[in-house]
Amino acid sequence: DAGVIQSPRHEVTEMGQEVTLRCKPISGHNSLFWYRQTMMRGLELLIYFNNNVPIDDSGMPEDRFSAKMPNASFSTLKIQPSEPRDSAVYFCASSSRRRPMEQYFGPGTRLTVT
Amino acid sequence: LAKTTQPISMDSYEGQEVNITCSHNNIATNDYITWYQQFPSQGPRFIIQGYKTKVTNEVASLFIPADRKSSTLSLPRVSLSDTAVYYCLVGLGGGSTLGRLYFGRGTQLTVWP
Repeated sequence: DAGVIQSPRHEVTEMGQEVTLRCKPISGHNSLFWYRQTMMRGLELLIYFNNNVPIDDSGMPEDRFSAKMPNASFSTLKIQPSEPRDSAVYFCASSSRRRPMEQYFGPGTRLTVT
Repeated sequence: LAKTTQPISMDSYEGQEVNITCSHNNIATNDYITWYQQFPSQGPRFIIQGYKTKVTNEVASLFIPADRKSSTLSLPRVSLSDTAVYYCLVGLGGGSTLGRLYFGRGTQLTVWP
């Protein structure tokens, strides 16, 4: 099993640009999570999906952030427009229905907004 | 939402047993307790999960008292490679409904030679 796949691994962009992060969960997992990690705020849950449906997006910072899961094998997190304070490592994780708290994390995308 | 409280940091030496305690006073009846480990520049990794009493796997043991308001992660004979941040989480462990999870700041464990 390839595990959770995220792309890109690193992204450097200028303020105001659109950024799209991608995630492929583990096959067969029905829950998908997007997290953001910074030194200041630690690891924060942004949004999670269950069976491709967004269940809780209360962690999404503001309207500049949006996430989609068009099918069971793909999800995107989009930031438009990006700001320097969005600089962080963004993790995607997935889990199965039977053990939803046993989440498998991807390698993360390190985003730098200048 | 059952938040957790853990020590910010702990130090140990190679070969010692390390116990990290987590408080979760507001744990709900259906909540499970889960621990994760995170190395620098990597995503968190699941270590162990339990509901009550004691759970043991090849990596660690998890002790949960009867009132379930706290839990202790025990790492036997740590090595330098166990230096990492350890997170305690409380939430629903099964079923069709998943509660919102809160990772907190975790405990930075540093193992010295």
